[in-house]
Order: sequence, then structure tokens, then C-alpha cells
Amino acid sequence: AQRVTQPEKLLSVFKGAPVELKCNYSYSGSPELFWYVQYSRQRLQLLLRHISRESIKGFTADLNKGETSFHLKKPFAQEEDSAMYYCASPRGSSNTGKLIFGQGTTLQVKP
Amino acid sequence: AAGVIQSPRHLIKEKRETATLKCYPIPRHDTVYWYQQGPGQDPQFLISFYEKMQSDKGSIPDRFSAQQFSDYHSELNMSSLELGDSALYFCASSLEEGNEQFFGPGTRLTVL
Repeated sequence: AQRVTQPEKLLSVFKGAPVELKCNYSYSGSPELFWYVQYSRQRLQLLLRHISRESIKGFTADLNKGETSFHLKKPFAQEEDSAMYYCASPRGSSNTGKLIFGQGTTLQVKP
Repeated sequence: AAGVIQSPRHLIKEKRETATLKCYPIPRHDTVYWYQQGPGQDPQFLISFYEKMQSDKGSIPDRFSAQQFSDYHSELNMSSLELGDSALYFCASSLEEGNEQFFGPGTRLTVL
């Protein structure tokens, strides 16, 4: 079965510290992965997609096929980064775009 | 810019009652996805529509049905509600299947 796994439910860091939110995937074929963020009382928003290789709000994520990972990183965390982060993939048994989400990681950035 | 609209934002129902959740996609988006997020859980795909036809189905109970109308808005109908149906229901829209999904704010359903 295709799965996206986020092993940490909560990650707590101090402002200015580096952040790495882990995501591992398990399925065959070409992976397609996203990071979504949900700030308090706001809707889910797309943060990053692996094909774009861009940096948004200082976050980057590199697809590592050898380790089947797509970890989200930021060198210096800010308090406004505190949110719930979901790793997701549209790779289901069909190509309809439905998303398979990881369990989510709450990032808490302390002052 | 217009975003995905969901109504109502909050809904409280009794067991065995019926609920209807509505989703209005971004203008010109032809694809709608529904997800259910239980307390402390990740969003789970329920059902999707493309060009007014059901295109994919996930773990949606038989008590639930949905459709997409000619104006592309979608409604999720939930009957014989159970306590376990209490969750946040997200709708997302995209321009064609497989493209970036834009999420609505969700409808929080509480079944008492």
C-alpha cells in the first residue's frame, strides 16, 4: 500500500534553531510529494512541491529516492513558522489527484 | 483572489440526523475533492468529482453521498449520522485532476 509517514507528532525548537520535519514515503514508481501547512485557525495551504525545487518562507525539501524521504528543512526557525505540517502525495491507485496525507507534525517554535 | 468556500463552517447534529455540507470551488476549477479529518488524525480522502462526474472514491461510508452540480459546486450528504462522524470536513478544488489543490476552511461537524 502506498503510504506517507511522518514519524514525529510534535517538534519543538527555539527561535533561530534549525528545523527538519521528517517525511518518508513508500510506493513504487516516480514519487510526487508535497508539503502542506496549516496555521492556527487557517486552511491547509500548499507550501512546497518536490518538482518545483523552490524555497518558500525559507523552507526547502529535497527528494531522496535512496532513502525514500522528503524532509522539510529550514536553517533558522521563526515563531511564525509554528503550525501543523503535512507531507502528502497524490500518488494513489488512480491518477485522479487525491492526496494521501502523512499523520502531520506540529512545529512549535519557542521564543 | 477568490478561495474555496465551504458552508456551513460549523454544524451540530443529533445521532441519526442528516447533514448537508456545501463546497464552492474557485471559479473555473472543475475538480472537487472531499476529505474527512477526525480529531488528532490526518485528512482522509472521501470522494472526488471531475466535470460533474464522480472520478474517485475513498473510504466513504454508504450513508454518505455526494454530487457536483452544473455550476461545479459540490454537496456532501450525510445520513443516519453517528458519533464517529464528528470531524472536520475539507473540500479542495483544482483546475483539472492532478493539479494543485486549494483547500476550503472546512466544516466542523459535531454529532451529539
